Amino acid sequence: EAGVTQFPSHSVIEKGQTVTLRCDPISGHDNLYWYRRVMGKEIKFLLHFVKESKQDESGMPNNRFLAERTGGTYSTLKVQPAELEDSGVYFCASSLADTWYEQYFGPGTRLTVT
Amino acid sequence: AQSVTQLDSQVPVFEEAPVELRCNYSSSVSVYLFWYVQYPNQGLQLLLKYLSGSTLVESINGFEAEFNKSQTSFHLRKPSVHISDTAEYFCAVRGLGGSNYKLTFGKGTLLTVNP
Repeated sequence: EAGVTQFPSHSVIEKGQTVTLRCDPISGHDNLYWYRRVMGKEIKFLLHFVKESKQDESGMPNNRFLAERTGGTYSTLKVQPAELEDSGVYFCASSLADTWYEQYFGPGTRLTVT
Repeated sequence: AQSVTQLDSQVPVFEEAPVELRCNYSSSVSVYLFWYVQYPNQGLQLLLKYLSGSTLVESINGFEAEFNKSQTSFHLRKPSVHISDTAEYFCAVRGLGGSNYKLTFGKGTLLTVNP
């Protein structure tokens, strides 16, 4: 069974540019989560999808971040325009509906904004 | 709201030595507790969890953690570590109730096992 995959693994962009991160959850997992780890800090929750609906987006930093999950399968996280403080590792995780506590994480996308 | 404090950012130990990685949490409600591990160039993996029942929980690779409600702690221990245990370990918490499934993490502890 394939795990959670994320693309790209690394992205280096300039301040003001746009970047789109993609996450493919484990097949059949209705719950999809985005987290972010800024260097030296803790991993912080961004948002949670149940199928295609946003269940909780309380962790989204500001309106430069837009997450979508069309069709309830893969998800994208767009940052537009990127700022220096957006640099970090963005993790995606997924879980089954009944076992929310077993969140399976992807390897992360390392985003560097210069 | 919850918060998690991992008291040690780095823990170096020698192979076959015992290790304890400390985790304390703060919450106004009862909690579920987790330890995740991240090996180099990989995603986080769930190591063990406390949801209810016995306060001592174990993983398949010899780690254990004990939920101590009075101390608000969930320290991770292993009696004898291996080189392959070198990784970053994250403690996480989620408050009981509701449909909010978000995890609150600590800053992580880098465990380095030396030969």
